[in-house]
Amino acid sequence: EVQLVESGGGLVEPGGSLRLSCAASGFTFSSYAMNWVRQAPGKGQEWVSAINGTGGSPFYADSVKGRFTMSRDNSKNTLYLQMNSLRVEDTALYYCAKVVEQHLVRGGFDIWGQGTMVTVSS
Amino acid sequence: DIVMAQSPDSLAVSLGERATINCKSSQSVSYSSSNRYYLAWYQQKPGQPPKLLIYWASTRASGVPDRFSGSGSGTDFTLTISSLQAEDVAVYYCQQYYSIPFTFGPGTKVDIK
Repeated sequence: EVQLVESGGGLVEPGGSLRLSCAASGFTFSSYAMNWVRQAPGKGQEWVSAINGTGGSPFYADSVKGRFTMSRDNSKNTLYLQMNSLRVEDTALYYCAKVVEQHLVRGGFDIWGQGTMVTVSS
Repeated sequence: DIVMAQSPDSLAVSLGERATINCKSSQSVSYSSSNRYYLAWYQQKPGQPPKLLIYWASTRASGVPDRFSGSGSGTDFTLTISSLQAEDVAVYYCQQYYSIPFTFGPGTKVDIK
């Protein structure tokens, strides 16, 4: 079964750090670009970052650029999001999502995890 | 950034009737040399992640019932549910993946009348 499972969320104070992980299974992980998307409580979707299958040159939303770092370890079939200098407005459910077609960074997101909640509050 | 607008904000349709959701991008989401539109549609039910319905504006994702269809060109796109079923109650989002940052529309809530 194709599956993505996020972990690493939690409660953190403003200015703090968290590292999210996304464990992939059921597909050839290294062949697919991956994304992080977040959803604040009661709000819509906000794309956060994307990375190609080989792990080169991630892309970021301006709202997180310079604070978040996306990476992947294809030997472990795992995606990461290192989040530093967290702000109250980063509070959201963070999803990892797989691009539908192999070797394309740009495409629909066909597999999503259940999400991991990040709460930034003092 | 490409801004995605959706209309209506919400709609209520009788079971078996057609539901139509519109999405407009602030600029083109295709290359002039291609007739491919970098546009996807998602369905999200409460407590669940979004589910991909349509990509490339009109390609149905695997396992998606054929009552869901996507169409459009230029900057105007439509998601049609040809015969609304009870399980289609959800929020629907469009998304462009033409340029970074990928952006989503604000969502359209679909209910049963």
